[in-house]
Amino acid sequence: RKEVEQDPGPFNVPEGATVAFNCTYSNSASQSFFWYRQDCRKEPKLLMSVYSSGNEDGRFTAQLNRASQYISLLIRDSKLSDSATYLCVVKGTGFQKLVFGTGTRLLVSP
Amino acid sequence: DGGITQSPKYLFRKEGQNVTLSCEQNLNHDAMYWYRQDPGQGLRLIYYSQIVNDFQKGDIAEGYSVSREKKESFPLTVTSAQKNPTAFYLCASSSTREQPQHFGDGTRLSIL
Repeated sequence: RKEVEQDPGPFNVPEGATVAFNCTYSNSASQSFFWYRQDCRKEPKLLMSVYSSGNEDGRFTAQLNRASQYISLLIRDSKLSDSATYLCVVKGTGFQKLVFGTGTRLLVSP
Repeated sequence: DGGITQSPKYLFRKEGQNVTLSCEQNLNHDAMYWYRQDPGQGLRLIYYSQIVNDFQKGDIAEGYSVSREKKESFPLTVTSAQKNPTAFYLCASSSTREQPQHFGDGTRLSIL
């Protein structure tokens, strides 16, 4: 089983739609969770950290479910500029490496 | 502007050649990392350094070497022992090991 699993997509949605991605992780000792966004042939950029109580940043909402070992990202009112690959990233305690999912591709169409 | 600078953007390696990828940061971050990204795969950690003059192997260190003589700099050498070097190489840094990592804009390495 992969340490971090994501549905590769692509998720094709119209502008204005709400879309959600899930990501599951296998290490129950994982402590930190992040969503990164990666545009085609570019570097990943931090979108948001994911906190235990869930957190929101504008149109983006991240949730963590420790019992089921998954995190989610909800994007409301999708924009064309949201088209990208969204990477789920998990980190253990101490210095343990970040483990990256392979990403979920989102395509927002007019 | 503060950030992470990688150079060159594109690099071509000949058979049997060692090449060095540069990574410089002016964020005053202690920790620096090198990742490799292949199509359809997640980023994989090559080497990381938590502090100057110290570095550790990641998951795929074979065929690579690094140095950390200065806080700002963490160059990666792809040696001739790395038989499949074609990939997108990403350098990252973080202020502490708990903080999220921020990436440079990457170097694309190909074989001639």
